[in-house]
Amino acid sequence: EPEVTQTPSHQVTQMGQEVILRCVPISNHLYFYWYRQILGQKVEFLVSFYNNEISEKSEIFDDQFSVERPDGSNFTLKIRSTKLEDSAMYFCASSSSGRALTGELFFGEGSRLTVL
Amino acid sequence: AQSVTQLDSHVSVSEGTPVLLRCNYSSSYSPSLFWYVQHPNKGLQLLLKYTSAATLVKGINGFEAEFKKSETSFHLTKPSAHMSDAAEYFCVVRVGSSNTGKLIFGQGTTLQVKP
Repeated sequence: EPEVTQTPSHQVTQMGQEVILRCVPISNHLYFYWYRQILGQKVEFLVSFYNNEISEKSEIFDDQFSVERPDGSNFTLKIRSTKLEDSAMYFCASSSSGRALTGELFFGEGSRLTVL
Repeated sequence: AQSVTQLDSHVSVSEGTPVLLRCNYSSSYSPSLFWYVQHPNKGLQLLLKYTSAATLVKGINGFEAEFKKSETSFHLTKPSAHMSDAAEYFCVVRVGSSNTGKLIFGQGTTLQVKP
């Protein structure tokens, strides 16, 4: 069964460093998303991406964050200068056209980011 | 604004007994509601979804949920728990009617299944 894959599974970085989290969505999906979960808190929407542009972003997704689909298969989340409060589990998700309309997303296993 | 509230942070049942995970929603219009499950070291997986068709929704692994508008509830049930059901369960509402995929998650309920 096709699945969303994320790398790395765990990354430890120093505050102020740039981090790139990578995702390979399901191959025929056109809608891509990033969510995050700070330890002990709810899963939160960060951004949705379709047709090579951001469809919607939350107030969390400030200028320190960016997304891109550099090569037609990967979908990346970049954090330019990490802060302690960026420590979280980051989930990538993708969806096909029909399922995006009904809100059915396919999630990866997550990338745990620890900022020291 | 839309929101979901999961009424229990932790539920413990014995194997073979029924499971009830409670969720209440708030929405100014007919919502799209979901239950997602996360097993340890796994991604979030869709269990079932309600999108204004039948109010009783059947999902994978024997789970089902009933949409009750009068009670603004969408509780998840299973007649007989299995050890493999131990996981974190999230009640989720989709924001609006667009396809931006913006979902609002509840705080999660940890289901423990005792032998």
